[in-house]
Amino acid sequence: EPEVTQTPSHQVTQMGQEVILRCVPISNHLYFYWYRQILGQKVEFLVSFYNNEISEKSEIFDDQFSVERPDGSNFTLKIRSTKLEDSAMYFCASSPPSRRETQYFGPGTRLLVL
Amino acid sequence: KQEVTQIPAALSVPEGENLVLNCSFTDSAIYNLQWFRQDPGKGLTSLLLIQSSQREQTSGRLNASLDKSSGRSTLYIAASQPGDSATYLCAVNTGNQFYFGTGTSLTVIP
Repeated sequence: EPEVTQTPSHQVTQMGQEVILRCVPISNHLYFYWYRQILGQKVEFLVSFYNNEISEKSEIFDDQFSVERPDGSNFTLKIRSTKLEDSAMYFCASSPPSRRETQYFGPGTRLLVL
Repeated sequence: KQEVTQIPAALSVPEGENLVLNCSFTDSAIYNLQWFRQDPGKGLTSLLLIQSSQREQTSGRLNASLDKSSGRSTLYIAASQPGDSATYLCAVNTGNQFYFGTGTSLTVIP
Protein backbone atom coordinates (compact mmCIF):
# COMPACT_ATOMS: atom_id res chain seq x y z
CA GLU A 1 0.00 0.00 0.00
CA PRO A 2 1.41 3.44 -0.90
CA GLU A 3 2.69 5.48 2.05
CA VAL A 4 3.82 9.01 2.79
CA THR A 5 7.53 9.00 3.55
CA GLN A 6 9.61 11.60 5.36
CA THR A 7 13.34 12.24 5.62
CA PRO A 8 15.30 12.49 7.76
CA SER A 9 13.70 10.60 10.63
CA HIS A 10 15.75 12.64 13.11
CA GLN A 11 17.61 15.93 12.74
CA VAL A 12 19.69 17.85 15.23
CA THR A 13 20.61 21.44 14.45
CA GLN A 14 22.05 24.53 16.11
CA MET A 15 19.81 27.48 16.90
CA GLY A 16 19.80 29.95 14.03
CA GLN A 17 20.53 27.35 11.36
CA GLU A 18 18.24 26.61 8.44
CA VAL A 19 16.64 23.18 8.15
CA ILE A 20 14.71 21.54 5.36
CA LEU A 21 12.38 18.69 6.14
CA ARG A 22 11.42 16.48 3.23
CA CYS A 23 8.29 14.56 2.45
CA VAL A 24 7.29 12.33 -0.44
CA PRO A 25 3.49 12.27 -0.60
CA ILE A 26 1.54 9.41 -2.14
CA SER A 27 2.02 9.70 -5.87
CA ASN A 28 -1.45 10.68 -7.11
CA HIS A 29 -2.26 12.99 -4.21
CA LEU A 30 -2.73 16.70 -4.83
CA TYR A 31 -3.21 18.19 -1.35
CA PHE A 32 -0.32 18.40 1.07
CA TYR A 33 -0.03 19.36 4.71
CA TRP A 34 2.46 19.92 7.50
CA TYR A 35 1.70 19.44 11.19
CA ARG A 36 3.92 19.61 14.23
CA GLN A 37 3.82 18.10 17.70
CA ILE A 38 5.88 19.63 20.46
CA LEU A 39 6.77 17.01 23.05
CA GLY A 40 3.82 16.38 25.35
CA GLN A 41 1.50 18.68 23.41
CA LYS A 42 -1.18 18.37 20.76
CA VAL A 43 -0.53 17.78 17.10
CA GLU A 44 -1.00 21.22 15.50
CA PHE A 45 -1.77 22.19 11.93
CA LEU A 46 0.86 24.34 10.20
CA VAL A 47 -0.03 24.68 6.54
CA SER A 48 -1.88 23.16 3.61
CA PHE A 49 -0.70 23.35 -0.01
CA TYR A 50 -2.50 22.82 -3.29
CA ASN A 51 -1.77 23.68 -6.89
CA ASN A 52 1.65 25.06 -5.99
CA GLU A 53 0.41 27.52 -3.44
CA ILE A 54 -0.50 27.73 0.20
CA SER A 55 -4.25 27.26 0.67
CA GLU A 56 -4.37 27.71 4.43
CA LYS A 57 -1.92 28.34 7.25
CA SER A 58 -2.07 28.66 11.00
CA GLU A 59 -0.71 31.44 13.19
CA ILE A 60 2.27 29.21 13.94
CA PHE A 61 3.34 29.35 10.29
CA ASP A 62 5.13 32.69 10.38
CA ASP A 63 7.79 34.17 8.10
CA GLN A 64 10.39 31.73 9.39
CA PHE A 65 8.55 28.89 7.65
CA SER A 66 8.13 28.18 3.96
CA VAL A 67 6.91 25.24 1.91
CA GLU A 68 7.77 24.17 -1.59
CA ARG A 69 7.08 21.43 -4.07
CA PRO A 70 10.38 21.58 -5.97
CA ASP A 71 9.56 18.69 -8.29
CA GLY A 72 6.79 16.22 -8.98
CA SER A 73 7.43 14.10 -5.93
CA ASN A 74 8.86 16.06 -3.00
CA PHE A 75 7.17 18.46 -0.61
CA THR A 76 9.45 20.38 1.72
CA LEU A 77 9.17 22.47 4.87
CA LYS A 78 11.96 24.99 5.43
CA ILE A 79 12.64 26.72 8.72
CA ARG A 80 14.97 29.64 7.97
CA SER A 81 16.47 30.38 11.36
CA THR A 82 15.60 27.74 13.89
CA LYS A 83 14.69 28.55 17.46
CA LEU A 84 14.76 26.31 20.50
CA GLU A 85 10.96 26.20 20.48
CA ASP A 86 10.95 24.73 16.98
CA SER A 87 12.03 21.42 18.50
CA ALA A 88 9.17 19.07 17.72
CA MET A 89 8.00 16.16 15.64
CA TYR A 90 6.95 17.35 12.19
CA PHE A 91 4.37 15.33 10.26
CA CYS A 92 3.62 15.55 6.58
CA ALA A 93 0.26 14.42 5.20
CA SER A 94 -1.35 14.19 1.79
CA SER A 95 -4.85 13.75 0.36
CA PRO A 96 -6.09 12.29 -2.92
CA PRO A 97 -7.93 14.50 -5.40
CA SER A 98 -11.23 12.68 -4.97
CA ARG A 99 -11.17 12.55 -1.16
CA ARG A 100 -9.59 15.71 0.12
CA GLU A 101 -11.07 15.14 3.57
CA THR A 102 -8.96 11.99 4.03
CA GLN A 103 -5.37 12.68 5.03
CA TYR A 104 -2.59 10.10 5.08
CA PHE A 105 0.19 10.88 7.54
CA GLY A 106 3.89 10.20 7.26
CA PRO A 107 6.01 8.80 10.11
CA GLY A 108 7.39 12.20 11.09
CA THR A 109 10.73 13.92 11.45
CA ARG A 110 11.94 14.61 14.94
CA LEU A 111 13.75 17.96 15.01
CA LEU A 112 15.93 18.96 17.92
CA VAL A 113 17.26 22.50 18.06
CA LEU A 114 20.18 23.04 20.42
CA LYS B 1 -12.15 27.67 16.63
CA GLN B 2 -12.55 23.92 16.95
CA GLU B 3 -11.46 22.49 20.29
CA VAL B 4 -10.99 18.76 20.79
CA THR B 5 -10.88 17.23 24.25
CA GLN B 6 -10.08 13.68 25.24
CA ILE B 7 -10.97 12.04 28.51
CA PRO B 8 -9.35 10.42 30.36
CA ALA B 9 -5.82 11.68 29.85
CA ALA B 10 -4.47 8.37 31.05
CA LEU B 11 -5.96 4.94 31.62
CA SER B 12 -4.53 1.75 33.04
CA VAL B 13 -6.44 -1.53 32.74
CA PRO B 14 -5.69 -5.21 33.24
CA GLU B 15 -5.37 -7.35 30.15
CA GLY B 16 -8.65 -8.65 28.79
CA GLU B 17 -10.80 -5.75 29.87
CA ASN B 18 -13.02 -3.84 27.50
CA LEU B 19 -12.53 -0.08 27.59
CA VAL B 20 -13.90 3.15 26.18
CA LEU B 21 -11.99 6.28 25.24
CA ASN B 22 -13.87 9.53 24.87
CA CYS B 23 -13.48 12.47 22.53
CA SER B 24 -15.52 15.65 22.38
CA PHE B 25 -15.40 18.56 19.96
CA THR B 26 -16.95 22.00 20.07
CA ASP B 27 -18.02 22.59 16.47
CA SER B 28 -20.22 19.94 14.85
CA ALA B 29 -19.44 21.18 11.32
CA ILE B 30 -16.95 18.44 10.52
CA TYR B 31 -16.21 16.32 7.49
CA ASN B 32 -14.99 13.33 9.43
CA LEU B 33 -13.33 12.17 12.62
CA GLN B 34 -10.33 9.93 12.81
CA TRP B 35 -8.79 7.92 15.61
CA PHE B 36 -5.02 7.45 15.59
CA ARG B 37 -2.59 5.43 17.61
CA GLN B 38 0.79 6.88 18.53
CA ASP B 39 3.58 4.86 20.12
CA PRO B 40 6.21 6.79 22.12
CA GLY B 41 8.40 8.87 19.81
CA LYS B 42 6.70 7.49 16.72
CA GLY B 43 4.32 8.65 14.02
CA LEU B 44 0.56 8.43 13.68
CA THR B 45 -1.14 5.19 12.76
CA SER B 46 -4.68 5.61 11.53
CA LEU B 47 -7.11 3.24 13.24
CA LEU B 48 -10.57 4.25 12.14
CA LEU B 49 -12.10 7.07 10.12
CA ILE B 50 -15.77 7.95 10.46
CA GLN B 51 -17.39 10.19 7.89
CA SER B 52 -19.77 12.84 9.19
CA SER B 53 -22.74 10.91 7.78
CA GLN B 54 -21.79 7.70 9.59
CA ARG B 55 -22.57 6.62 13.14
CA GLU B 56 -19.85 4.04 13.66
CA GLN B 57 -16.98 2.11 12.17
CA THR B 58 -15.48 -1.19 13.20
CA SER B 59 -12.10 -2.78 12.64
CA GLY B 60 -11.30 -5.98 14.48
CA ARG B 61 -11.48 -5.34 18.22
CA LEU B 62 -12.00 -1.60 17.69
CA ASN B 63 -15.29 0.19 17.32
CA ALA B 64 -15.63 3.94 16.95
CA SER B 65 -18.88 5.84 17.21
CA LEU B 66 -19.77 9.37 16.24
CA ASP B 67 -22.58 11.60 17.46
CA LYS B 68 -21.97 14.73 15.46
CA SER B 69 -24.86 16.71 16.88
CA SER B 70 -23.58 16.35 20.43
CA GLY B 71 -19.95 16.66 19.44
CA ARG B 72 -18.87 13.29 20.79
CA SER B 73 -17.03 10.20 19.67
CA THR B 74 -15.98 7.07 21.51
CA LEU B 75 -13.40 4.43 20.75
CA TYR B 76 -14.26 1.04 22.18
CA ILE B 77 -11.47 -1.51 22.52
CA ALA B 78 -12.58 -5.06 23.24
CA ALA B 79 -10.50 -7.64 25.08
CA SER B 80 -7.52 -5.33 25.56
CA GLN B 81 -3.98 -6.67 25.11
CA PRO B 82 -0.59 -5.36 26.31
CA GLY B 83 0.20 -4.53 22.70
CA ASP B 84 -2.63 -2.00 22.76
CA SER B 85 -0.57 0.16 25.12
CA ALA B 86 -0.07 3.50 23.34
CA THR B 87 -1.49 6.99 23.13
CA TYR B 88 -4.78 7.25 21.26
CA LEU B 89 -5.51 10.51 19.47
CA CYS B 90 -8.82 11.77 18.22
CA ALA B 91 -8.83 14.27 15.35
CA VAL B 92 -11.68 16.09 13.62
CA ASN B 93 -11.44 17.30 10.06
CA THR B 94 -13.07 20.60 9.18
CA GLY B 95 -12.27 20.24 5.50
CA ASN B 96 -8.93 22.01 5.43
CA GLN B 97 -7.16 20.62 8.45
CA PHE B 98 -7.33 18.23 11.35
CA TYR B 99 -7.76 19.43 14.91
CA PHE B 100 -6.26 16.99 17.36
CA GLY B 101 -6.98 16.19 20.97
CA THR B 102 -4.22 15.77 23.51
CA GLY B 103 -4.74 12.03 23.58
CA THR B 104 -5.41 9.26 26.05
CA SER B 105 -2.37 7.32 27.21
CA LEU B 106 -3.42 3.69 27.59
CA THR B 107 -1.50 1.07 29.55
CA VAL B 108 -2.70 -2.53 29.45
CA ILE B 109 -1.21 -4.52 32.30
CA PRO B 110 -0.38 -8.18 31.57
